Amino acid sequence: DAGVTQSPTHLIKTRGQQVTLRCSPKSGHDTVSWYQQALGQGPQFIFQYYEEEERQRGNFPDRFSGHQFPNYSSELNVNALLLGDSALYLCASRSTSGFTYEQYFGPGTRLTVT
Amino acid sequence: AQTVTQSQPEMSVQEAETVTLSCTYDTSESDYYLFWYKQPPSRQMILVIRQEAYKQQNATENRFSVNFQKAAKSFSLKISDSQLGDAAMYFCAYRSYFFGNEKLTFGTGTRLTIIP
Repeated sequence: DAGVTQSPTHLIKTRGQQVTLRCSPKSGHDTVSWYQQALGQGPQFIFQYYEEEERQRGNFPDRFSGHQFPNYSSELNVNALLLGDSALYLCASRSTSGFTYEQYFGPGTRLTVT
Repeated sequence: AQTVTQSQPEMSVQEAETVTLSCTYDTSESDYYLFWYKQPPSRQMILVIRQEAYKQQNATENRFSVNFQKAAKSFSLKISDSQLGDAAMYFCAYRSYFFGNEKLTFGTGTRLTIIP
């Protein structure tokens, strides 16, 4: 049973560029959340997708946007990259069926903005 | 808004000994979930243990147990018989009970070193 997968593993971009990160949830999971983890910090919640809609959003600017596809996979898009966007981006998934609430994390995408 | 505080940036323990990591949180909610996650150098966040606030009994998972003090808003993690594989960053996290408000609020983490 494959867990949460993310691609790419590492990415280097230049200020002002746009980037797309991808996440495939754990089998049977239908909800995907994205987190940003700056170096030496705990993860910060960006947003959550359920039924292809953004259900909850953290304190991030509109440059951060996302999408969820019918197969529950998700993309995180960041426009007009800033140096401060350099971080580890984590995807987490969970299932809304049954009485379960744990979120399972992927290995992350390390984004470096130069 | 909820906040989570981990006041110990780094901790170390001898192999086979016991160590306790501290976490405090602030919330106005009465029902919620608390978690401890482990993040090894591989970066993958792994759930260690969870606690439902409406349960008085402290959660236990093998060598890992928590001391949940709801009134004090304290949630510490005890690791018994520490092993080299326990070396990692440990994060305490809070989640609201309510469906639709599922974001995890994390602390800043505690780096645990195991001394052979």
